[in-house]
Amino acid sequence: GAVVSQHPSWVICKSGTSVKIECRSLDFQATTMFWYRQFPKQSLMLMATSNEGSKATYEQGVEKDKFLINHASLTLSTLTVTSAHPEDSSFYICSAPAGERPSDEQFFGPGTRLTVL
Amino acid sequence: QKEVEQDPGPLSVPEGAIVSLNCTYSNSAFQYFMWYRQYSRKGPELLMYTYSSGNKEDGRFTAQVDKSSKYISLFIRDSQPSDSATYLCAMMGSSASKIIFGSGTRLSIRP
Repeated sequence: GAVVSQHPSWVICKSGTSVKIECRSLDFQATTMFWYRQFPKQSLMLMATSNEGSKATYEQGVEKDKFLINHASLTLSTLTVTSAHPEDSSFYICSAPAGERPSDEQFFGPGTRLTVL
Repeated sequence: QKEVEQDPGPLSVPEGAIVSLNCTYSNSAFQYFMWYRQYSRKGPELLMYTYSSGNKEDGRFTAQVDKSSKYISLFIRDSQPSDSATYLCAMMGSSASKIIFGSGTRLSIRP
């Protein structure tokens, strides 16, 4: 299947700092990528849809000024957590559909574990 | 009421047993149904992907979708200790690629 990578796999930062997480589609192009957050023993919750060449679409309750998304190319989307707080500590996962249709199978990255001290 | 309901478990069965995992949903607009396996501290891995009602088999895994009952199932035959993981059901409507996940069922296969 298609491969999606994330970098870094884990990061620890101090409260108030910003952290950037990268999501790359390695063997296919993705005009759309998705960012999820997963708290311990909970399911994945969609945060936002990243669109290449246009603004991201955020889910209700997700602060767009805090979680900055940039879809720089057809293979790269970045999520920047600005002014991080301990409650932002979570597992962040991206995904991308491997085909051109929105309903095509989505493949997930390995996730980035963020710990804010 | 959540759009997708899934028993969180944990579910523990002996090696070789048949495992049945289930989800119910309330949104009749869902057209695509998926099952993902997630190991601890890893991203979800797609196991099964089905469209509309029916059955789909892939090796030891069988996915069933009953849209009339809004009920989907995943069966694992000849379960192995390596199948121990959290299994997430997921669904998607026909007009958008937004995936709605169940809460996940933690499965443990005892050797």
